[in-house]
Amino acid sequence: GENVEQHPSTLSVQEGDSAVIKCTYSDSASNYFPWYKQELGKRPQLIIDIRSNVGEKKDQRIAVTLNKTAKHFSLHITETQPEDSAVYFCAASINTGNQFYFGTGTSLTVIP
Amino acid sequence: GAVVSQHPSRVICKSGTSVKIECRSLDFQATTMFWYRQFPKKSLMLMATSNEGSKATYEQGVEKDKFLINHASLTLSTLTVTSAHPEDSSFYICSATPPTSGREDTQYFGPGTRLTVL
Repeated sequence: GENVEQHPSTLSVQEGDSAVIKCTYSDSASNYFPWYKQELGKRPQLIIDIRSNVGEKKDQRIAVTLNKTAKHFSLHITETQPEDSAVYFCAASINTGNQFYFGTGTSLTVIP
Repeated sequence: GAVVSQHPSRVICKSGTSVKIECRSLDFQATTMFWYRQFPKKSLMLMATSNEGSKATYEQGVEKDKFLINHASLTLSTLTVTSAHPEDSSFYICSATPPTSGREDTQYFGPGTRLTVL
């Protein structure tokens, strides 16, 4: 089955700096890669996603890049703000409607 | 759109009792829902895939007789933790995918249910 690894497990940045979280996956058939943000005790919220036919996607301060050859994808947050502090999960999925394989999560702390 | 609710949000029960958790898709029909378990500061562990009108598909290591799943309608799936024990205490989250929204591969999560078994 699919194996998704995520690094780092914790990340602290100064407000205004950039944060990068990286994930790798094992199954070349995976074609959908969402990123979720989860605040303590809350539900995971989709923040951005990318499909395998695209190499990069950007939404304001958030961007995701995908390298299909190397089987890794990354989340980039620029101009970080304290409210970006949360746990971020990457995931990979093989087909529409199929299960997600989640990474182990990254706890991001943005220091004011 | 794509709102998923869960009930109850929090439940405390005695060891040996059964607890039912409901997951509803409020503004769309979901033929498939997913149930996850999350331990503190840990990732989401998929427990089972709930299919409307058929049996759920359980992940390896998840006891199907312990965690009963019923997906009786296109908007409701239930997870029943039978004969709960303290080790079943956890955060249970469901998710669903809106089938015809153009976001068929995205899962939207419910708010979760915090189960504490005394």
